[in-house]
Amino acid sequence: DQQVKQNSPSLSVQEGRISILNCDYTNSMFDYFLWYKKYPAEGPTFLISISSIKDKNEDGRFTVFLNKSAKHLSLHIVPSQPGDSAVYFCAASARDDKIIFGKGTRLHILP
Amino acid sequence: GAGVSQSPRYKVAKRGQDVALRCDPISGHVSLFWYQQALGQGPEFLTYFQNEAQLDKSGLPSDRFFAERPEGSVSTLKIQRTQQEDSAVYLCASSPRASVTYEQYFGPGTRLTVT
Repeated sequence: DQQVKQNSPSLSVQEGRISILNCDYTNSMFDYFLWYKKYPAEGPTFLISISSIKDKNEDGRFTVFLNKSAKHLSLHIVPSQPGDSAVYFCAASARDDKIIFGKGTRLHILP
Repeated sequence: GAGVSQSPRYKVAKRGQDVALRCDPISGHVSLFWYQQALGQGPEFLTYFQNEAQLDKSGLPSDRFFAERPEGSVSTLKIQRTQQEDSAVYLCASSPRASVTYEQYFGPGTRLTVT
């Protein structure tokens, strides 16, 4: 029973355009959400997070949007750059309990 | 500065062998986590240490899995009598805060293959 779902295994986006990665969750107790980025043969690196008291958090080219009623969050990257090609994991936590990760979405930035 | 390091990077074990995986966290980091990542999956929580105290081991899949962090720095994940389903990448992460959600810094992982 997957509590954090990333339904798109992969996504291809033209360089310079916007990349939108989606994530759905089922546990209404989740109150903190994170995105991690992973390059091959490396561990994941933290990208951005959002608390459930907010609906948007922005950090440079990265913005995370949270829609609690739909139990949906998305990561927007604009403009997309070649170095953004990686696997992106959505993750969530309920009341400071362990983090639950999704399966990841592989993002390809096309030249 | 130095990040989280893990050793060995690759380990091949025959079914039934015991293995020990080492994690060197970032110096001074209070929290340490172990995750298991199967092929095509996201990291799955195994256990969490705050300094030397193991506060959560709810993710350990069986009593064949054991983790320790005796001096609150280096940690070892031990798997006894390895089985084929134990084949995965084992990730270690550390964090400067006593929190399970604060930004975690991951090591490169140890890829365990059980034959």
